Amino acid sequence: ETGVTQSPTHLIKTRGQQVTLRCSSQSGHNTVSWYQQALGQGPQFIFQYYREEENGRGNFPPRFSGLQFPNYSSELNVNALELDDSALYLCASRVGAGPGYTFGSGTRLTVV
Amino acid sequence: QQQVKQSPQSLIVQKGGISIINCAYENTAFDYFPWYQQFPGKGPALLIAIRPDVSEKKEGRFTISFNKSAKQFSLHIMDSQPGDSATYFCAATQETSGSRLTFGEGTQLTVNP
Repeated sequence: ETGVTQSPTHLIKTRGQQVTLRCSSQSGHNTVSWYQQALGQGPQFIFQYYREEENGRGNFPPRFSGLQFPNYSSELNVNALELDDSALYLCASRVGAGPGYTFGSGTRLTVV
Repeated sequence: QQQVKQSPQSLIVQKGGISIINCAYENTAFDYFPWYQQFPGKGPALLIAIRPDVSEKKEGRFTISFNKSAKQFSLHIMDSQPGDSATYFCAATQETSGSRLTFGEGTQLTVNP
């Protein structure tokens, strides 16, 4: 097991709705990143949090937001869902600044 | 903007053969190049990684070859097995910028028995 748990595993939402995805990282993993993986594509970096503060963001609009909590859990929030938001959302965590990420199994979001 | 290009998109190899996947990058500031293996329904798992100060790294049946001047790197899977059938992603990152990963498009590898 990876030690990074994501919930829910699958989710269906209607266009225009809001969604919250959750991630529970291993103890001590104070850096968490979120990625969007469209079908048949490589993961795309959304943003990263270090010690509860955002410290990097990819090319995603502000309706994608996040939070990181002191207990090594984190959330990805997406407002005003669009059909193109349908994807696998991956959470990845690591200790400190090293590049050795551990990925969760993801949340499959379908927007209809 | 695609900064890491991966080929081929799909690859079929016979059991015992060699699988080769290639990647090219644009950003010369990248300083860490990992390969990830992803099975259906799972997240990517780190397979092997290399830094640009070495030209080759081997771990078991998996070898990364790195050509800094050409800005290319490749994954070689020796003695490929049906259990290696998965999607493989190359990636690149710059540790000084927070180590966000830039992924290639992926290669779906099928190893026939």
